[in-house]
Amino acid sequence: GQNIDQPTEMTATEGAIVQINCTYQTSGFNGLFWYQQHAGEAPTFLSYNVLDGLEEKGRFSSFLSRSKGYSYLLLKELQMKDSASYLCAVRTGGFKTIFGAGTRLFVKA
Amino acid sequence: EAQVTQNPRYLITVTGKKLTVTCSQNMNHEYMSWYRQDPGLGLRQIYYSMNVEVTDKGDVPEGYKVSRKEKRNFPLILESPSPNQTSLYFCASRRTGDYGYTFGSGTRLTVV
Repeated sequence: GQNIDQPTEMTATEGAIVQINCTYQTSGFNGLFWYQQHAGEAPTFLSYNVLDGLEEKGRFSSFLSRSKGYSYLLLKELQMKDSASYLCAVRTGGFKTIFGAGTRLFVKA
Repeated sequence: EAQVTQNPRYLITVTGKKLTVTCSQNMNHEYMSWYRQDPGLGLRQIYYSMNVEVTDKGDVPEGYKVSRKEKRNFPLILESPSPNQTSLYFCASRRTGDYGYTFGSGTRLTVV
């Protein structure tokens, strides 16, 4: 079957760095996406990885290892507004996109 | 403004009464998709469309229908809604290639 696993909740302190992990087992792979979703709002696209390695975008970075079926999202210099759910998603061989259940991040002062 | 527009935002209906949730995008995107989001389960794909008149089932298609007669519109139809279809629904679209989805604001549906 197809499976995407990520921690349910994480807590971090304002100004710190947090890493949200995602492991996946899917039939086919055409890229891994991270989305941010604030409570009551729609998800918004953060990052995309299709090759192994690190992609950096400002305070956010995303890493992919295809051989390990593993990705992480790194958030630096955390701000209160980063409190949200972070969704890991994989585009499979059939061009469907499947999502993990999401990681709810709480940023405390 | 580039966007995906869903209507209605909120809907309460009774079991068995047919309903349609509309979705329209103004970005000329080829791909469109419907997801439902339930606590603890994340986003699950209902149907997706690769282009006009080309649709396919996602992971949870039972009880839903879609159509893609024009590139910009992708309505979701519930012919006979049941309480287990109470959920938060999102429409999304993207361009062909390595792009993430743009999501609509969501439709919170309650079936009583």
